[in-house]
Amino acid sequence: QVQLQESGPGLVRPSETLSLTCTVSGASVSSGSHYWSWIRQSPGKGLEWIGYLFYSGNSNYNPSLKSRVTISLDTSKNQFSLMLSSVTAADTAIYYCVTAIDGVDVWGQGTTVAVSS
Amino acid sequence: QSVLTQPPSASGTPGQRVTLSCSGSSSNIGSNHVLWYQQLPGTAPKVLMYRSDQRPSGVPDRFSGSKSGTSASLAISGLRSEDEAEYYCASWDDSLRGRVFGGGTKLTVL
Repeated sequence: QVQLQESGPGLVRPSETLSLTCTVSGASVSSGSHYWSWIRQSPGKGLEWIGYLFYSGNSNYNPSLKSRVTISLDTSKNQFSLMLSSVTAADTAIYYCVTAIDGVDVWGQGTTVAVSS
Repeated sequence: QSVLTQPPSASGTPGQRVTLSCSGSSSNIGSNHVLWYQQLPGTAPKVLMYRSDQRPSGVPDRFSGSKSGTSASLAISGLRSEDEAEYYCASWDDSLRGRVFGGGTKLTVL
């Protein structure tokens, strides 16, 4: 059974970089058949797709965030990460890491990140 | 402003059948499958339907999904109090090359 667990700081200062990690169990991030993605949820904007990455390097990011986002894999730790630079209060949200197995989404439990000084 | 359009609220009484709608365009629902999620307060969204009309194991057959053209629906029959939740639709968008979501429908069981 595939399980995902997000981790990272719950508070980030404005203009700094938000950095989150998703630890994967039950699957390998080196698998060519899975994508590794991030989705966030804020009260004002509902669910928002951030981006995805395949082991092959194929990736895409939401155009509204593209200039600030990087998703990367750490195969040695079986993790994938999200970095979002130059954050503002609008980036305050619950961040979820998500993959799919045979077409069915698998979501982490989510981690809350607040952007505040 | 969500790419997919859902009514913000819906309601029904126990035992009733309710249908939740989701409207999109040719670049998303019109050419791709739809997913439906149920979200209870304080929890991550749970997949109720994938590939428009497929239920993951463990999801009761009271839930059913359909798609026609650029719209999709989630039907819930034999409504129960525990079905009170937020429901979201989602699809792949060929123009965005990413996932798009509806704004969610808050279902109240009266």
